Amino acid sequence: AQSVTQLDSHVSVSEGTPVLLRCNYSSSYSPSLFWYVQHPNKGLQLLLKYTSAATLVKGINGFEAEFKKSETSFHLTKPSAHMSDAAEYFCVVSDPGDTGRRALTFGSGTRLQVQP
Amino acid sequence: DAGVIQSPRHEVTEMGQEVTLRCKPISGHNSLFWYRQTMMRGLELLIYFNNNVPIDDSGMPEDRFSAKMPNASFSTLKIQPSEPRDSAVYFCASSSTDRTSQETQYFGPGTRLLVL
Repeated sequence: AQSVTQLDSHVSVSEGTPVLLRCNYSSSYSPSLFWYVQHPNKGLQLLLKYTSAATLVKGINGFEAEFKKSETSFHLTKPSAHMSDAAEYFCVVSDPGDTGRRALTFGSGTRLQVQP
Repeated sequence: DAGVIQSPRHEVTEMGQEVTLRCKPISGHNSLFWYRQTMMRGLELLIYFNNNVPIDDSGMPEDRFSAKMPNASFSTLKIQPSEPRDSAVYFCASSSTDRTSQETQYFGPGTRLLVL
């Protein structure tokens, strides 16, 4: 079985300061991990993904995430927040397990606010 | 590529009416997923297809919901009869299960359904 826990439902930062969105996962097998972003009234856009290659993954818009197996974490970071980063962020795990299912399990989401 | 296309973008209907949501996946993708997003339950997988065949429909809430994929470029999600608790945003996503793209899913803009 797989699950994802996003540790913060809301994060507020000032423009120009670093962003940290925390995510922990559990998985029986070697998972693939993703971060998706959803702007208000929009669909979900892929930010980045980890698929057992490099543990530090770079995504779009200056975001990156580090896969830490020992901590079962996949936190999302950005050095300097921009107003346009305000959105909901979802940490996602895909774990085919022994059934080969390819469905995603979504975290509950973290709403990022960026203050001017 | 136009991305995943969903229609309609918004639907308002009365309780008891039939609702049909439509999805056109990205050309060449062989997996298609239907998700539902609500404030209370977040993002939930309803059903997914691989090569037009339903693989896992365990997330379909009840018999009022049905989904079809008659060909590789079209899928429908039908609710009959609809109820107010079906009000949600319904997302369609598609992916290619070849080695280069792993399980990355690309989401459509969603259909916002309101059942009165």
